[in-house]
Amino acid sequence: EADIYQTPRYLVIGTGKKITLECSQTMGHDKMYWYQQDPGMELHLIHYSYGVNSTEKGDLSSESTVSRIRTEHFPLTLESARPSHTSQYLCASSEPGRNEKLFFGSGTQLSVL
Amino acid sequence: KNQVEQSPQSLIILEGKNCTLQCNYTVSPFSNLRWYKQDTGRGPVSLTIMTFSENTKSNGRYTATLDADTKQSSLHITASQLSDSASYICVVSDRGSTLGRLYFGRGTQLTVWP
Repeated sequence: EADIYQTPRYLVIGTGKKITLECSQTMGHDKMYWYQQDPGMELHLIHYSYGVNSTEKGDLSSESTVSRIRTEHFPLTLESARPSHTSQYLCASSEPGRNEKLFFGSGTQLSVL
Repeated sequence: KNQVEQSPQSLIILEGKNCTLQCNYTVSPFSNLRWYKQDTGRGPVSLTIMTFSENTKSNGRYTATLDADTKQSSLHITASQLSDSASYICVVSDRGSTLGRLYFGRGTQLTVWP
């Protein structure tokens, strides 16, 4: 079992609300990632971080923002949620090494009404 | 365009039977190929990681093969169990950056019936 945790597991909110999805890992990994996944579709990278104070946007354009103030914590924030943000959000971290094995959290299923 | 294609899209088998899932990719340059298992509503869990020089790797009842020349991989599941019901995702990494960009397939949804 991976030591990477996401909260909440499920979130239903109204349009316009500000939300923060939490992600924490206890493995001491420097690299962390946020992926977005819709049913039956591939994972898309929306943000990643190489370490503290390092954040980059991924391949898929996203209106969300991230921060990395501590190694173990990589929260994702949506300032004003919209129905188009409805999706599953997966956080991951990778161990150092050539193949960089990924460990995923259980995900947050977000529904914006 | 770098892509990862998986087949079949979905598969139903009876408990105890074997099955093989396919993955074709066009990612270049190639670094490694990974298979993940994703239970419904959960995050993916790594099954195998294979580099260019490896053509087979096993993890219990799961055996992955890689043909880097034809850019094909397969995941063979032996003596399937109900708990094998999940989506199986093929992921290919390139050597284009230190991060090693990952290209995800859409997965094969496997259902094992009793």
